[in-house]
Amino acid sequence: DAGITQSPRHKVTETGTPVTLRCHQTENHRYMYWYRQDPGHGLRLIHYSYGVKDTDKGEVSDGYSVSRSKTEDFLLTLESATSSQTSVYFCAISNSNQPQHFGDGTRLSIL
Amino acid sequence: AQTVTQSQPEMSVQEAETVTLSCTYDTSENNYYLFWYKQPPSRQMILVIRQEAYKQQNATENRFSVNFQKAAKSFSLKISDSQLGDTAMYFCAFMTTSSTSGTYKYIFGTGTRLKVLA
Repeated sequence: DAGITQSPRHKVTETGTPVTLRCHQTENHRYMYWYRQDPGHGLRLIHYSYGVKDTDKGEVSDGYSVSRSKTEDFLLTLESATSSQTSVYFCAISNSNQPQHFGDGTRLSIL
Repeated sequence: AQTVTQSQPEMSVQEAETVTLSCTYDTSENNYYLFWYKQPPSRQMILVIRQEAYKQQNATENRFSVNFQKAAKSFSLKISDSQLGDTAMYFCAFMTTSSTSGTYKYIFGTGTRLKVLA
């Protein structure tokens, strides 16, 4: 399996608090992605990175920011969490046209 | 805009039978890749099979095969000899290249929940 670790695996927090999710890879893959998974919507792209300090928005980027200061780590931040951001978040990595490999997901609950 | 449609939210199949999951997509591109991913209750996303659009031959992977119809923009997954362990959510995905960054982007369907019955 591709070496991808997401942390934390589960988190419960309150509305208005900042939250940071971390994705760490040991594969030296160029591309990293953050998705959210919600019933009836499949996986929707939040942000992605195509290199260190190179990021771009996905289809549901409002309320989220990302950073990638080194190849191994891709951070997803919710500056002020809202209940609509309760979801399961997946990180994925890939190299060029190869299939994405996914982390195990983070279940985030915002009360 | 590119889209991926999975029109079957839920399906069931008897163990040892064959089942086909449908997927259609919309794109104006000629070169792209298509994938099927499986998500069992453990929540892991597992790659099942991959198809390059430039290849006419349908991809196969053990009991899993696809019927790729490029002109019809259809990419169905056939599971033969279904097993209880095949019970999962199945996602169809389309990969394209971003015109702005040159990076690879994926678009997922909404999934089909498959239940294999004993």
